[in-house]
Amino acid sequence: GNSVTQMEGPVTLSEEAFLTINCTYTATGYPSLFWYVQYPGEGLQLLLKATKADDKGSNKGFEATYRKETTSFHLEKGSVQVSDSAVYFCALDPLREYGNKLVFGAGTILRVKS
Amino acid sequence: DGGITQSPKYLFRKEGQNVTLSCEQNLNHDAMYWYRQDPGQGLRLIYYSQIVNDFQKGDIAEGYSVSREKKESFPLTVTSAQKNPTAFYLCASRSGPLFGYTFGSGTRLTVV
Repeated sequence: GNSVTQMEGPVTLSEEAFLTINCTYTATGYPSLFWYVQYPGEGLQLLLKATKADDKGSNKGFEATYRKETTSFHLEKGSVQVSDSAVYFCALDPLREYGNKLVFGAGTILRVKS
Repeated sequence: DGGITQSPKYLFRKEGQNVTLSCEQNLNHDAMYWYRQDPGQGLRLIYYSQIVNDFQKGDIAEGYSVSREKKESFPLTVTSAQKNPTAFYLCASRSGPLFGYTFGSGTRLTVV
């Protein structure tokens, strides 16, 4: 079946540190991949996406590359800020399967200290 | 600006009462979804609808009901049969494949 596995958190970093949040997936076919961010007490916001292998999604300094050979979509940022503290969700869209529903990972809490 | 509006932001319910959470979108999206989120946990799908007058159960539909009479609206009723309804409820919509979800800002339901 289709599934998404994220690294467990919380991830705690100092300001200006490099961030990596690992995400691997299992899917048949060629899914689209997404990263969402959720700030405290709010809904989820789309951060970036990639729709085919080797695509790189980027937004607000965050990047993720769709790696089909390793079934991964790791989120990276070169220098985190306190304002990046949030929960990050990786998700996949199996497209033709599952009636148009996204499959979410469990989420990774990021805490950035000043 | 287009978006999804969930109301109210905070809701308190007495045990044994039904309560309805509102979700309205002006994005002209066909598909709409309801998720439940518990503290420190991921998202669990309650119900979803891909078209007006049609909806399907998600993974945790027991104790919930929905309707989809208009494209713009997808209200969720939490019934007294839901044994542990205190949670954060998120509504989402999407226009189709290759596009992600657009989420509302959520409703926090507390049973008192």
